[in-house]
Amino acid sequence: QITLKESGPTLVKPTQTLTLTCTFSGFSLSTRDMNVAWIRQPPGKALEWLALIRWNDDEHYSPSLKNRLTITKDTSKNQVVLTMTNMDPVDTATYFCARDFDWKLNWGQGTMVTVSS
Amino acid sequence: QSVLTQPPAASGTPGQRVTISCSGSSSNIGSRTVNWYQQVPGTAPKLLIYSDNQRPSGVPDRFSGSKSGTSASLAISGLQSEDEADYFCAVWDDSLNGWVFGGGTKLTVL
Repeated sequence: QITLKESGPTLVKPTQTLTLTCTFSGFSLSTRDMNVAWIRQPPGKALEWLALIRWNDDEHYSPSLKNRLTITKDTSKNQVVLTMTNMDPVDTATYFCARDFDWKLNWGQGTMVTVSS
Repeated sequence: QSVLTQPPAASGTPGQRVTISCSGSSSNIGSRTVNWYQQVPGTAPKLLIYSDNQRPSGVPDRFSGSKSGTSASLAISGLQSEDEADYFCAVWDDSLNGWVFGGGTKLTVL
């Protein structure tokens, strides 16, 4: 059974750096063509893809957020970490991680992050 | 504004058939396979359709998908009250080199 769970702060202040961890089970990021993505959804708005890390360490970022994002993986711990710098209230959203394999996404339930002073 | 265009709302009565459209471009739907998800607030989105028209095991055959050119559709037949949820399409975009999503369609069972 594939499961993913996002964890991190629920509240961050403007200009702070957000660090989110995706802990997963049921698959290995060392398997060929296995990837993990981060996606967010502001309240009442559409989903937005943020970043993706591949089994071979390749990283892909949303062009609009590339300068603020870093995605890393720890294969031994079955974790993927996303950091987003210079947080702003417009970054308030539910953040999801998802396994990306065989052109399908398996999602975690998401974690809500509010940016407010 | 989403890269993929969906109607914001759809509705039907129990037993009816409803369809939800998803419009994209040559860099996504036109060249890649489409997935459809059901989202209930507070829970993980559930995969309903992959590879344009394939159902994962456990998904009722009331759910079906199709694609033509740069548009895709999700059809739900024999509508049930439990189908009331948000539905969105997702596909890889070769220009973005990332995933793109529809804005979501809120389905109401009247």
